[in-house]
Amino acid sequence: AQTVTQSQPEMSVQEAETVTLSCTYDTSENNYYLFWYKQPPSRQMILVIRQEAYKQQNATENRFSVNFQKAAKSFSLKISDSQLGDTAMYFCAFMKHVPAEGSNYQLIWGAGTKLIIKP
Amino acid sequence: DGGITQSPKYLFRKEGQNVTLSCEQNLNHDAMYWYRQDPGQGLRLIYYSQIVNDFQKGDIAEGYSVSREKKESFPLTVTSAQKNPTAFYLCASSITWRGIQYFGAGTRLSVL
Repeated sequence: AQTVTQSQPEMSVQEAETVTLSCTYDTSENNYYLFWYKQPPSRQMILVIRQEAYKQQNATENRFSVNFQKAAKSFSLKISDSQLGDTAMYFCAFMKHVPAEGSNYQLIWGAGTKLIIKP
Repeated sequence: DGGITQSPKYLFRKEGQNVTLSCEQNLNHDAMYWYRQDPGQGLRLIYYSQIVNDFQKGDIAEGYSVSREKKESFPLTVTSAQKNPTAFYLCASSITWRGIQYFGAGTRLSVL
């Protein structure tokens, strides 16, 4: 079974600090996608960053970057210069191939990390 | 503005009643999805549709039904067979079945 594990249920940091959220996954596939989504108190799910497994370079989006370790099956999210608006649930997700359904892919989600940015 | 609209924001179901959650997108996306979110858990896939007039069951389809008669619409019906329907329901769409998924604002369903 393919799973996604987020080992930190909750974290809190001071504004302007850097924080790293961890995610590990389990798969036998070689080509896949990994995602970090953010769900603020409004509960709207927002894409933060995406990583393609065949790319060795870590993805970066402004203050958000990932540390993708394919051999270790680790996909952590680093938030630099954290802001109050970063307070949210953060979900790691893995896109798996579903061969029984033909060419189809499904997202498998971790349980989330609640991140609180303190002023 | 392009986006995904879910309605209503809050919905209450009486025992034995079927209720329908609406999901509309104007992004011209082919694929659409329904997820259920419970506290302390990740999202779980209920149904998905890659193209009009076609849909497949996800991991927790029992007690739910969908239709995809139009590209922009993917309504979810929570039937009386779903014994524990209280949850937050999220609709998503992607340009293709392998694309990035974009989400609506969700519907909170509670049982009276």
